[in-house]
Amino acid sequence: EADIYQTPRYLVIGTGKKITLECSQTMGHDKMYWYQQDPGMELHLIHYSYGVNSTEKGDLSSESTVSRIRTEHFPLTLESARPSHTSQYLCASNDGSGNTGELFFGEGSRLTVL
Amino acid sequence: AQSVAQPEDQVNVAEGNPLTVKCTYSVSGNPYLFWYVQYPNRGLQFLLKYITGDNLVKGSYGFEAEFNKSQTSFHLKKPSALVSDSALYFCAVRGYGGATNKLIFGTGTLLAVQP
Repeated sequence: EADIYQTPRYLVIGTGKKITLECSQTMGHDKMYWYQQDPGMELHLIHYSYGVNSTEKGDLSSESTVSRIRTEHFPLTLESARPSHTSQYLCASNDGSGNTGELFFGEGSRLTVL
Repeated sequence: AQSVAQPEDQVNVAEGNPLTVKCTYSVSGNPYLFWYVQYPNRGLQFLLKYITGDNLVKGSYGFEAEFNKSQTSFHLKKPSALVSDSALYFCAVRGYGGATNKLIFGTGTLLAVQP
């Protein structure tokens, strides 16, 4: 089992609420990622980070924001949730060993916005 | 541009029979290829990867994958399927660009193993 944790696992909230999805890893990995997984299963990269104070947008445009103040922590925030944000969000990390390292994934946070 | 394709949305196989889940890729330079499995309501778990060397790669849970450079394929295989293998399988290739270690995922193949 990988040492990467996501909370909450499930969240149901109303439109307009601010939410933060937490992601923490204890492996000391420099690189961390957020993926959005649609009901149709496909994974889309929405944010990534090379290390502390580094954040970048991914391939899929997202209204969410991220921060990387500590190596182990990579939270994702939605300032005002909408039903279109309903999805599963997967956090991942790797140690950046060239291009050959595999990603380690958390269990995911399933968000439902009513 | 780098891409990976999984041509089958779903693969059905009887328990005990061999299984194959197909994956083809397009990437400039040498490919780094990965397979992941996702069980219901879980994150992705790493199964195996090809970096260099032997074209037949062995991974977790009895799975293996064969790298074929001429066909640009990396099919996942298992000699004898188990009902517990039923899950969603993702092929991925390492991309180049903004995220040094960014993986490009296929659309996933649902494997259903019937008892």
